[in-house]
Amino acid sequence: ETGVTQTPRHLVMGMTNKKSLKCEQHLGHNAMYWYKQSAKKPLELMFVYSLEERVENNSVPSRFSPECPNSSHLFLHLHTLQPEDSALYLCASSQGTEYRDTGELFFGEGSRLTVL
Amino acid sequence: SQELEQSPQSLIVQEGKNLTINCTSSKTLYGLYWYKQKYGEGLIFLMMLQKGGEEKSHEKITAKLDEKKQQSSLHITASQPSHAGIYLCGAERGSTSGTYKYIFGTGTRLKVLA
Repeated sequence: ETGVTQTPRHLVMGMTNKKSLKCEQHLGHNAMYWYKQSAKKPLELMFVYSLEERVENNSVPSRFSPECPNSSHLFLHLHTLQPEDSALYLCASSQGTEYRDTGELFFGEGSRLTVL
Repeated sequence: SQELEQSPQSLIVQEGKNLTINCTSSKTLYGLYWYKQKYGEGLIFLMMLQKGGEEKSHEKITAKLDEKKQQSSLHITASQPSHAGIYLCGAERGSTSGTYKYIFGTGTRLKVLA
């Protein structure tokens, strides 16, 4: 089992669809993250979950809804997306949950989303 | 402007050449991480620097942290095609919510010509 697994790897959806991205970590980590990576833009932090509690929402539109049912799983529910939401969505986890004590992030391979 | 600016944005070098990538922070650095990303894939951790003046090496990659300048550099010696990819610096930031953010730099795309 790889450390952080994301599914699906590729997703194409219409603007009225509802879909979900899934992330699973097998590292026993306590914090999980969603990032968005668009072409020619820096990696953008979307959400941070620490011990299954959302601790950071980086001004993300409500059409993106995260869910963390337990410390190993993280979902990103997608609803009524726009074409500009097309991007690579990366999930990551870390052992640390405190500021300045996070440690390195372990990333999944990403889910490539295309919104038509 | 970005909190973590990297330079150059892209770099093409001949195999065997040395190169340096810089990461400059607009705020005080309490630690700095370097990652590598292959195109369209996840990031892989390279190394972490915590103290001013600290220098770490892994194989042919060396990173240094200059806290006073709020800057870190990543140096690759005798580059190889396997070094190609996107290099990103990362740092933790305190958040107004009292928690933290883990942010990344603008990235440097490296291509190594065989």
